[in-house]
Amino acid sequence: DIQMTQSPSSLSASVGDRVTITCRASQGISNFLAWYQQKPGKVPKLLIYAASTLQSGVPSRFSGSGSGTDFTLTISGLQPEDVATYYCQNYNSAPRAFGQGTKVEIK
Amino acid sequence: EVQLVQSGGVVVQPGGSLRLSCAASGFTFDDYTMHWVRQGPGKGLEWVSLISWDGVTPYYADSVKGRFTISRDNSKNSLYLQMDSLRTEDTALYYCAKDKHSSGWSPLDYWGQGSLVTVSS
Repeated sequence: DIQMTQSPSSLSASVGDRVTITCRASQGISNFLAWYQQKPGKVPKLLIYAASTLQSGVPSRFSGSGSGTDFTLTISGLQPEDVATYYCQNYNSAPRAFGQGTKVEIK
Repeated sequence: EVQLVQSGGVVVQPGGSLRLSCAASGFTFDDYTMHWVRQGPGKGLEWVSLISWDGVTPYYADSVKGRFTISRDNSKNSLYLQMDSLRTEDTALYYCAKDKHSSGWSPLDYWGQGSLVTVSS
C-alpha cells in the first residue's frame, strides 16, 4: 500500500507570508494527488487535484506542484482565513491514503 | 445543489454493530464511486472504504477489512456502511464523500456533514 508523508506537522507564519507544505508518496503516483483544507469544526474541502489543478472557487493564492513521489502545496500570501489543517491524498489506487495533516496557524 | 445527508450519531458497545447511511441528491448518484472517510477525536483523516458506481467493486482499509461492509442502493440514491465487531478505536466522525469525476481515478469533491460513532461500554 502507498503511504503519504507530510511535513511539517504544524507551522506558524505571519499574515502575508509564503507557506509551503510538502507531501511525499512511498511510491510513484504520477499526478494523482489532491490537497484538502479542513477548518476547525468543519468538513474537509477539496483545494487542488491532479497535483496542480485548482478546484473551482479556491483563491489563486493556493497552488500545487509535483509529480511522481514529491508534491508541494503553497499559499502565496497567508490570510487569517487560511488557518486550517491541510491534508494530501493519493487517489490512483486503493487504499486512498491521506497524509497525517499539517496544521497552519497565524503567528 | 449536491447534498450528502448522513444519519445521526450513535453510541454502541464494543463488539456491537450499526449501519450508517448517506442520502445523496443533486447529482446522478449511480454515475459515481462513493467513499467513507473517518476522523478520530483530535486525529487526521483516515480513508475507510469505497464502492464503485455499480456496487460491484468495494475496497477497504486494512483497519476495517472483514468487519465493515460498504453498500449502495442506486434506486434510493443511498450509500451505507455496515459496521460489525466494533472496537473502541473505531470511535470517530464518519464522512461519506463522492468522487469528483464519474470515471477514472478521482479526488473527493463533496462530503457529508459527518456521523459521530462512539464505541464505549
